[in-house]
Parts: sequence; structure tokens; C-alpha cells
Amino acid sequence: QVQLQESGPGLVKPSETLSLICTVSGDSISGFSWTWLRQPPGKGLEWIGYVSDRGTTIYNPSLDSRVTMSVDTSEKQFSLKLRSVTAADTAVYFCARGSGWLNHWGQGSLVTVSS
Amino acid sequence: EIVLTQSPGTLSLSPGERATLSCRASQSVTGNYLAWYLHKLGQPPKLLIYGASNRAPGIPDRFSGSGSGTDFTLTISRLEPEDFAIYYCQQYGSSTRTFGQGTKVEIK
Repeated sequence: QVQLQESGPGLVKPSETLSLICTVSGDSISGFSWTWLRQPPGKGLEWIGYVSDRGTTIYNPSLDSRVTMSVDTSEKQFSLKLRSVTAADTAVYFCARGSGWLNHWGQGSLVTVSS
Repeated sequence: EIVLTQSPGTLSLSPGERATLSCRASQSVTGNYLAWYLHKLGQPPKLLIYGASNRAPGIPDRFSGSGSGTDFTLTISRLEPEDFAIYYCQQYGSSTRTFGQGTKVEIK
């Protein structure tokens, strides 16, 4: 059974870069695309984008100028970097398997942007 | 970007009742590539339906999806206690995936 686990700092200062890693276990990272999403407190789900196992990326246009995603197949990890964060980027960040429908998710990682 | 509008915002029902949730798209969803998720506080969303009408593995048959084009529906035939949650629709027919704002199904 595939499992995903997000990891990274829970607190990021305004204007700095948010960095998260998702580690995949129980199945191969190859042959799939991998998605990042977020949910701000009290709000709905927002799709951030996805990265294929070969490193091809598609980002949400609203975040495109600040987002970078990458994949490390040898480590079975994929990552999210979000630059120049503000309080509006405070959210629970989820990683998930797939590029369309998403049938396996991490538990989520709360990232708070605050000085 | 395709905007998904879910209705109603909140549905107040009793266990055993039938729930009907709507998801309307601002333009036709290519291939009817629409999914439904159940989300409970503190947990990741759970895939229920993909391709508008295909149940995900392990999902009980009381959950069913229907619709095409711009209008989609999730039906829960008889609500169980564990079904009270927030439900989201998501389209993946366009390069920019989008979610609806959610429908909360609460106990009446």
C-alpha cells in the first residue's frame, strides 16, 4: 500500500521560501505524477501543481511565478518550493499521487507564515 | 480556468436519508474528467468517484456519481454516520485543475 509523508518546517518567515518534501513508500515513484495541494485555514482545497516522474511540471497560473517542483526518483521523494511567502500562504499542504484524480494522499503538513 | 460551483453550501440530513450534491462547471469538462472527494477535519481528502461515475476502489456502492458536460451530481443513497463531512468536486480535464468550494453534509 503506497504511503506519502510530507516533511518540512512548520514556520516560515514572510518573504522567505517555503520548502516541503514528500516521501513515497510502499510503491515506486516512477510511472506516476505527483501533485501538491493546500488548504488555508477555514477554506477549501487549492491545487498547486504537479510534477511527473521525469520532472515535467504543470503549475497553477496563480502561483506559477513563485513555485518550483522537482522529483528525486532515487530517494523516492518529490519537493515543493514556494518563494516570497506571505501570510496568505499559511495552509495545510498535501502531497498526493496522480495528476488528475488523486487516490493516495499524505496526511498534510501545516505551514504557518509569520515573523 | 474552469470554475466549479457546488450546491448547496450545507446539507442538513439525518442518517438513512438520501443526499444529492451538485457541481456545476463554468464550461464543459473535457472527457467528463470530474472527481469527488470526502474530507473530514484532520484527515486527507478521500477519493470517492473519478471520471464522473466510477467508484474508487473500496468505496461503498451507496456512493454514486453522474452527469456530463457542465452538470455533475454525487448521490449518497442512505447516509451512514461516517458520511457526515465536506465533499469537494474537482475537474482534471483542463491543464489547470480546480476544485469546487465544497458542500458540508451535516447531521440534522
